Amino acid sequence: GAVVSQHPSWVICKSGTSVKIECRSLDFQATTMFWYRQFPKQSLMLMATSNEGSKATYEQGVEKDKFLINHASLTLSTLTVTSAHPEDSSFYICSAEAQRGRGGTDTQYFGPGTRLTVL
Amino acid sequence: QKEVEQDPGPLSVPEGAIVSLNCTYSNSAFQYFMWYRQYSRKGPELLMYTYSSGNKEDGRFTAQVDKSSKYISLFIRDSQPSDSATYLCAIGGAGGTSYGKLTFGQGTILTVHP
Repeated sequence: GAVVSQHPSWVICKSGTSVKIECRSLDFQATTMFWYRQFPKQSLMLMATSNEGSKATYEQGVEKDKFLINHASLTLSTLTVTSAHPEDSSFYICSAEAQRGRGGTDTQYFGPGTRLTVL
Repeated sequence: QKEVEQDPGPLSVPEGAIVSLNCTYSNSAFQYFMWYRQYSRKGPELLMYTYSSGNKEDGRFTAQVDKSSKYISLFIRDSQPSDSATYLCAIGGAGGTSYGKLTFGQGTILTVHP
C-alpha cells in the first residue's frame, strides 16, 4: 500500500515553455501533498505544501507565480513550472501524506520523481 | 546552524558489515523521526519511522532516537550490496502549521561492496 506515482518521469523542454507534473496517490487519499526539488547530490528542498481544496503554501524564496500548484482532488496534485528556464532543471519529487491510523503519525510517501531538463 | 545535520559520507563498507548512520538536530520541538532510502534517480523510500526515544527494529534495520541529545541513528546489520544507496534522515512535527513538514538531512551515500 501507500503508492505514489508521478507523471512524467522525465521531460525535456525548451526555454520559455511550461511543464505540468502530476502526482497521484494510488491507494489512499491524501489531503496534503508536498512538492520538493532536489539538485544532484543534494538533499530534498521543500518547495510548497499542497492542501486539497485550498491554496498551496510556498516556502520562502519559492516563486508562487512560477511554480503553480493545484490540488483538485484527494488523490491528485499538479505542479506547473511556467516559463521554464535552464536553471529550473532539477529533479522534482512529490509526497503524499497518509495517516498511520489510530493515534499514529502522518507519514509521507514519495513519488518516483520527475527529471526536468530545460534546454 | 542547520536544523538537521547529517554526515554526507561517502561511506564504503564490505558486505556483511554493520553500518551506522547518524543525524543531529537542533530543535527540541521535533516529534517524529524517519529514515528514507533513495536509489539514484528515484524517489525516497520510507524505511523506518518513530516518534519516541528508544530503539525500533525492523528486520536488519534498527532506528534509534535519543531526544535528550537530539541524536538519531540508523543501524543496518549484515549489509548487502543492494543496500548501496543514499540514506536520508527526516524529522518533523515541529508544531503548529509546520507539523506535517519534514526537514531532511543532507543524505549519506553508502556503498556496500561484495
